[in-house]
Amino acid sequence: AQSVTQLDSQVPVFEEAPVELRCNYSSSVSVYLFWYVQYPNQGLQLLLKYLSGSTLVKGINGFEAEFNKSQTSFHLRKPSVHISDTAEYFCAVSALKAGTALIFGKGTTLSVSS
Amino acid sequence: EAGVTQFPSHSVIEKGQTVTLRCDPISGHDNLYWYRRVMGKEIKFLLHFVKESKQDESGMPNNRFLAERTGGTYSTLKVQPAELEDSGVYFCASSHFTGLGVNEQFFGPGTRLTVL
Repeated sequence: AQSVTQLDSQVPVFEEAPVELRCNYSSSVSVYLFWYVQYPNQGLQLLLKYLSGSTLVKGINGFEAEFNKSQTSFHLRKPSVHISDTAEYFCAVSALKAGTALIFGKGTTLSVSS
Repeated sequence: EAGVTQFPSHSVIEKGQTVTLRCDPISGHDNLYWYRRVMGKEIKFLLHFVKESKQDESGMPNNRFLAERTGGTYSTLKVQPAELEDSGVYFCASSHFTGLGVNEQFFGPGTRLTVL
């Protein structure tokens, strides 16, 4: 079985500041890793995913994440945030079998203010 | 290309009533998933269809929940009778089935269900 822990439920930052949203996972088998974002009144949108290969993954809107197998972490980063990045961010994992369901963390609300 | 759509966007019902949620996946997507997020908790998997067949329904909480996907197109999730603890946001997602590796799941906006 897998589980995901998002260490911060809320992260307030000022515009143009860097941000890191933390995610740790637990699994006895190899997994795929994902970050999704949910803007207000919208569905979840895939930001980025780690399947294999380079541990640094670049996604949309300037976000990136680094897979650290030894620490079982997949933290999300952005060097300079915008007001429009205000949203809820979800870390998720899935087993390697095709079509497997996602297992989510509880989400982190990023609030960017000017 | 239209995304995943869900209807209704909000539903408020009394305890004991019946509610049916609908999901229209992206055209051509064989995989369809239902997830639920209870307030303050993580998004949890309910079940997975491949075309019209239930591939995995291990996340369904109890027999008050019935999901169908007639003809392998849209899906409905019926809650009968609804209880207070069924309140939450119900998400639907779909993905293209390739049989290999990961398939990106595309999510709908969710249906917010409130049981009073």
